[in-house]
Amino acid sequence: AQSVTQPDIHITVSEGASLELRCNYSYGATPYLFWYVQSPGQGLQLLLKYFSGDTLVQGIKGFEAEFKRSQSSFNLRKPSVHWSDAAEYFCAVAFNQAGTALIFGKGTTLSVSS
Amino acid sequence: GAGVSQTPSNKVTEKGKYVELRCDPISGHTALYWYRQSLGQGPEFLIYFQGTGAADDSGLPNDRFFAVRPEGSVSTLKIQRTERGDSAVYLCASSSGLAGGSQYFGPGTRLTVL
Repeated sequence: AQSVTQPDIHITVSEGASLELRCNYSYGATPYLFWYVQSPGQGLQLLLKYFSGDTLVQGIKGFEAEFKRSQSSFNLRKPSVHWSDAAEYFCAVAFNQAGTALIFGKGTTLSVSS
Repeated sequence: GAGVSQTPSNKVTEKGKYVELRCDPISGHTALYWYRQSLGQGPEFLIYFQGTGAADDSGLPNDRFFAVRPEGSVSTLKIQRTERGDSAVYLCASSSGLAGGSQYFGPGTRLTVL
């Protein structure tokens, strides 16, 4: 069955330090890949997505993610974390066709220390 | 433009009661999704509409859950004979319905069953 794994439940990063959140998926072909962020009391906001082409994708708020087919991974990165980045981050995949549902990982909670 | 809206934002009910949760998608979006997010988990798919019809309801947990979208815009998720295990945040998302169309989420309805 298709699945998404986010190995890290909780990560703490110092403000200004770099960040990498891990995501691995299990699927027979290359899916559509997404990263969402959820702040307390807020809805899920799309950070970036990968469909095809360049494996390094840029998103909003200075985030980027790299698709690595050989590792079935889609890790999220940011070179310098700001305190406002503290939130829960979800990786999600969708099958390669119109209108299919997203399958989410369990999320990684990011804390930022000063 | 306006995003996805959901009402009510919070709903407290007693075990055995009937509840309705409403979703108003982004104007022009033909696809509408319902997800359920339990504490500490990622969202789980419930049902997907393309236009007025339910294209995929495989995520509905049992026959107490039902959803409609009679005019292809607003959708209502209906839960009969609520149980304490139904307590969760119910999220609605909409998209263009095209392959790879990003899903945009509403703020959710927090349902508490006492």
